[in-house]
Amino acid sequence: EAGVTQFPSHSVIEKGQTVTLRCDPISGHDNLYWYRRVMGKEIKFLLHFVKESKQDESGMPNNRFLAERTGGTYSTLKVQPAELEDSGVYFCASSQVTGNPTGELFFGEGSRLTVL
Amino acid sequence: AQSVTQLGSHVSVSEGALVLLRCNYSSSVPPYLFWYVQYPNQGLQLLLKYTSAATLVKGINGFEAEFKKSETSFHLTKPSAHMRDAAEYFCAVSDRGGYQKVTFGTGTKLQVIP
Repeated sequence: EAGVTQFPSHSVIEKGQTVTLRCDPISGHDNLYWYRRVMGKEIKFLLHFVKESKQDESGMPNNRFLAERTGGTYSTLKVQPAELEDSGVYFCASSQVTGNPTGELFFGEGSRLTVL
Repeated sequence: AQSVTQLGSHVSVSEGALVLLRCNYSSSVPPYLFWYVQYPNQGLQLLLKYTSAATLVKGINGFEAEFKKSETSFHLTKPSAHMRDAAEYFCAVSDRGGYQKVTFGTGTKLQVIP
């Protein structure tokens, strides 16, 4: 069974440009989460989808960030325009809604974003 | 609001020595607690989890953690460190709500010295 896959693994862009990160969750996982880790700091929650609906987007830093999950399958996270402070590793995770009461998450390898 | 505090961003141990990574949590309700590990160039992997069954939880690769409510702690231990244990370890807490929002600590990098 394929795990959570993220693309690209590393992106280097200039300030003001746009970047779109993609996450493919494990098949059948309705929960999809985006997290971000800025260097040396904690892994911070960004938002949570249940299928195609945004359940919680309280962690989104500002309106330069847009997440979508059309059709309830893969998700994209767009940063437009990118700023220096957006640099970090963006993790995607997925989990089952049912049969997983303890909330175990399955993570992708992350997308490292470097904004110059 | 729930949170976790990991004491020590870097821990070094000799190969064969005891590993102890500290984690304290704060939660207004009985929590679920996790340790995740990130090996170099890999994603986060679940090491073990506490779900209120047994207070001593055993995980993969010989790691275990003990839930101590009186101390609000969930420290991770391994009796004998191996070189392959060098990685970054994250303590995390989840509330018992239906949507499983997980809050992470800042991580502890474990260095194993041969």
